[in-house]
Amino acid sequence: GAGVSQSPSNKVTEKGKDVELRCDPISGHTALYWYRQRLGQGLEFLIYFQGNSAPDKSGLPSDRFSAERTGESVSTLTIQRTQQEDSAVYLCASSWTMGQEYEQYFGPGTRLTVT
Amino acid sequence: AQKVTQAQTEISVVEKEDVTLDCVYETRDTTYYLFWYKQPPSGELVFLIRRNSFDEQNEISGRYSWNFQKSTSSFNFTITASQVVDSAVYFCALSRGNTGFQKLVFGTGTRLLVSP
Repeated sequence: GAGVSQSPSNKVTEKGKDVELRCDPISGHTALYWYRQRLGQGLEFLIYFQGNSAPDKSGLPSDRFSAERTGESVSTLTIQRTQQEDSAVYLCASSWTMGQEYEQYFGPGTRLTVT
Repeated sequence: AQKVTQAQTEISVVEKEDVTLDCVYETRDTTYYLFWYKQPPSGELVFLIRRNSFDEQNEISGRYSWNFQKSTSSFNFTITASQVVDSAVYFCALSRGNTGFQKLVFGTGTRLLVSP
């Protein structure tokens, strides 16, 4: 079956503009996660969804960041009034939560460049 | 708080050498999971292994093996007879284990360069 997909693959935006990043998880995966990877660094957790609710938003860096999810499918991460420090690769992952199959499967990421 | 340390920033080896990537973790949880992911130049993270805190058995999968030692809070990864295709950034990660919905805490990664 299809893996996690993300769009766009690359996004260049001007400082101050809003951007929306999209994630399509693996069908049937109830959990969905957003991470950010700055150049040369590890991944930072942003938020996760259990179905369409977000029990843990602790990683969102500021109130300019928000995310939503429709049922157990598509999620959108929105960054308002982008800043240069928002430049990073934004990765989405999804996972089962049944049994012991908790592995998170990652999408290819969206590379965001704020100029 | 949870923390993962990968002290090796970059390792260079010649093909067919064995190489070990170190991972040290910190957690106060008694139940947790440890993971290794591979990030090739294409950028997409590839899941390699998950290990729960109650299973200290070492695991071997082909040329890959993992050594989990709770006594030293380490979960090291060894590639035997490395190949050029093993060149990638490898991340060790940790999650809490009490439910299926848990964020991963990642180390900063180790870049492995395997030359012919």
